[in-house]
Amino acid sequence: KAGVTQTPRYLIKTRGQQVTLSCSPISGHRSVSWYQQTPGQGLQFLFEYFSETQRNKGNFPGRFSGRQFSNSRSEMNVSTLELGDSALYLCASSLVGLAGPSYEQYFGPGTRLTVT
Amino acid sequence: QKEVEQNSGPLSVPEGAIASLNCTYSDRGSQSFFWYRQYSGKSPELIMFIYSNGDKEDGRFTAQLNKASQYVSLLIRDSQPSDSATYLCAASSQAGTALIFGKGTTLSVSS
Repeated sequence: KAGVTQTPRYLIKTRGQQVTLSCSPISGHRSVSWYQQTPGQGLQFLFEYFSETQRNKGNFPGRFSGRQFSNSRSEMNVSTLELGDSALYLCASSLVGLAGPSYEQYFGPGTRLTVT
Repeated sequence: QKEVEQNSGPLSVPEGAIASLNCTYSDRGSQSFFWYRQYSGKSPELIMFIYSNGDKEDGRFTAQLNKASQYVSLLIRDSQPSDSATYLCAASSQAGTALIFGKGTTLSVSS
């Protein structure tokens, strides 16, 4: 079974631009979560989607947004990029999107975003 | 603010020894706990998860959970140089739809 895929793998953008990242979950997984990883802050939760609905959102500004399509693929968008947005953006998928057992999340390879 | 705390390390052990990694969490509503391994430049890889108090063994790995103490640990037996990586502890949020990660413990296994 194929794993989580993310595109693009690397991206260089300029301050003020916007960017869209894509994630395809493991086949059959309906929950997709996004995380930002930086050396200083570690892995931080951005948001989670299940059946095209955002169910949870982390403490990030409104410049960070996402969506999920009917085939469970997800995109996240960052508008008006800032230097501090440079990070590894990770997508994770899960078979079951509810609290309790069977909520293991499997990560994709990530998108390395550099903002100059 | 819900937090997961880990010693950053580095934790250095010789090949063949037992490596013990520890983690505490602040949200008593957390029900599920996970250990991920992350090699430099790679994404996190799930190696263990535990939901009930006690021990759970999988090969060379044993996860331990004590909800009363809000403590999770990972033991790696017969450590190998290939185990050298950063180990991330994560707890589910009370809503269950997000993982709260610690900043990771760097493990170095010397041959």
